[in-house]
Order: sequence, then C-alpha cells, then structure tokens
Amino acid sequence: RKEVEQDPGPFNVPEGATVAFNCTYSNSASQSFFWYRQDCRKEPKLLMSVYSSGNEDGRFTAQLNRASQYISLLIRDSKLSDSATYLCVVTRSGNTPLVFGKGTRLSVIA
Amino acid sequence: DAGVTQSPTHLIKTRGQQVTLRCSPISGHKSVSWYQQVLGQGPQFIFQYYEKEERGRGNFPDRFSARQFPNYSSELNVNALLLGDSALYLCASSLWLGPTGTDSPLHFGNGTRLTVT
Repeated sequence: RKEVEQDPGPFNVPEGATVAFNCTYSNSASQSFFWYRQDCRKEPKLLMSVYSSGNEDGRFTAQLNRASQYISLLIRDSKLSDSATYLCVVTRSGNTPLVFGKGTRLSVIA
Repeated sequence: DAGVTQSPTHLIKTRGQQVTLRCSPISGHKSVSWYQQVLGQGPQFIFQYYEKEERGRGNFPDRFSARQFPNYSSELNVNALLLGDSALYLCASSLWLGPTGTDSPLHFGNGTRLTVT
C-alpha cells in the first residue's frame, strides 16, 4: 500500500462548481500535511498547509482527520485557472522528506 | 530575488552514460533536496542536504549520488543510466532542515527533464 493515496483523476468540472479532493495516508506517525499544486510541465508549488482545526484560504478549504488518517481539499467557485494537478503531501516530522501522493488532475471547463 | 535555479532544463542521454544535474538554492536557504518525478506520478525523494552534509536518502540505488557545496548549491549525479531514469528531476530548497509548513516551505526549481534512450 502506498504511503499517500489520492482520488484517481481526472476531475472535469464546469466553472463555478465546487470540487473536493480526498487523500489518505498510511503512516500514523505523520505530523505535517500539505496540498501542493502542479501546473502542466511545471514545478510543484505549496498551496496550503493542513491543520487539525481545518483552515481556509479564500476559495480553498483544507481539512485533516487524524483518527481516520484522511485529508481533504475543497475548492469553491472553480476558476479556469484552478486547472492543475493537486498533490497531497505528508511528512513524519520537520526533519523528514515530503512524501507525495500521485496527484489528482483537475480540469475546469468554461 | 531569484528562485531555485536548475540546469540544464532538458537533457538527452543514452543508456550507460553518466549525468550531472545542478541546482542553486534561493539565497539564504541552506537545505537542498532532490526529487525524481516520473510521468504520471508524484515526486519521489532522492536526497536531502543541509550545511553540506547528507541528511536523508530515499530508496534509490547507489548509482545516484549528490553533494552540496560551500555556497549551498548542489549537484545530483546518476551513473550507468537506465531507461527507467527518464524523469523530471526537481531540486527544492528551504530555509531550515525539513519543511515546517508555511514557516519554511519547500521551494522547487523548474526541474531538469532527463530522457534516456
């Protein structure tokens, strides 16, 4: 079983739609959680960190459920510019490397 | 300020050859990590260096090696190239050792796309 598993994509949604991505992780020692965004043929960029209390950044909301070892990302009012691959990322501690999921591709259609 | 810079951007090699990839971190960043991203997969950790010392190594064969220089730039070397080494090689830098969320996020370079034929 992979350490980080994500919903298989691609997700094709119309502009204005709400879309949710899910991710599970297998290592209960994981401590830090992130969502990264990667545009086609570009480098990954940090979208947001994920906290147990949940956090929101504009149209983006991230949630963490430690008991279920589950992370989610909700995008409201999707824009064409949201089209990208969204990578779920975990790390066991501040000194250990990032472990990336396979990524879920989102296409927002006009 | 310049971001993480990697060179070359693209490279084509044949099986059995050796390759050296280069990375310059963001000014002031002392930690450099290397990741391999095969098409359709997420990046996979290869090495992490901090203050010129290796601080972590992923599950890659000994054909892969790296080093960090006094100016914190880094090189990744791959010997005896295989077809399966074809990938995007990403270098990332951060202020401190390991990512700590928004306090010390990883900043990735544009990557070097290696094709082995």
